[in-house]
Amino acid sequence: GAVVSQHPSRVICKSGTSVKIECRSLDFQATTMFWYRQFPKQSLMLMATSNEGSKATYEQGVEKDKFLINHASLTLSTLTVTSAHPEDSSFYICSARGNRVFSGNTIYFGEGSWLTVV
Amino acid sequence: QKEVEQDPGPLSVPEGAIVSLNCTYSNSAFQYFMWYRQYSRKGPELLMYTYSSGNKEDGRFTAQVDKSSKYISLFIRDSQPSDSATYLCAATTSGTYKYIFGTGTRLKVLA
Repeated sequence: GAVVSQHPSRVICKSGTSVKIECRSLDFQATTMFWYRQFPKQSLMLMATSNEGSKATYEQGVEKDKFLINHASLTLSTLTVTSAHPEDSSFYICSARGNRVFSGNTIYFGEGSWLTVV
Repeated sequence: QKEVEQDPGPLSVPEGAIVSLNCTYSNSAFQYFMWYRQYSRKGPELLMYTYSSGNKEDGRFTAQVDKSSKYISLFIRDSQPSDSATYLCAATTSGTYKYIFGTGTRLKVLA
């Protein structure tokens, strides 16, 4: 099946610094990638949709300048949390879909990245 | 009202039991319905997906969609301790990959 890799899996950073999380599709070209955020015991909340070569589309309430998304290639999207604060501490998950039809209208998720801002 | 509602549990069952996990949704435009399993501190893993109404079976798992009542279910037969995880339902409309997730139900299968 499709594989989506996320890095780093865990990161701790100081308040005010920026953190970059990478999302890679390992065996397919991902025309669209999605970034989610999940707080403990809560559902996945879509933050933004990222299409290769174009600007990301952000969901309502998500700060574009704080959560910078770049999808420069068909296999890589990055999420940069700028000037991170403790309230940004969360589990960030990416997912990806490609041109090939795997098994219907589905996307595949990365392993997630735990961000702790101290 | 959330677009996809799911009882967060936790749900505890003995090993070998049949587990029934359920979600309701409000958007009648939803056409695709997915079930994901998420172990603690891991990304979601796709278990099943169905299109429109009907049943789909895969091994010990059966997904069921009733569009008339906007109700989706996942049944797990012969449950195992390794099935202990959070199960998330998700739905999306045709032509889009913008998934709307339920909050997830925590399942614990006791040995």
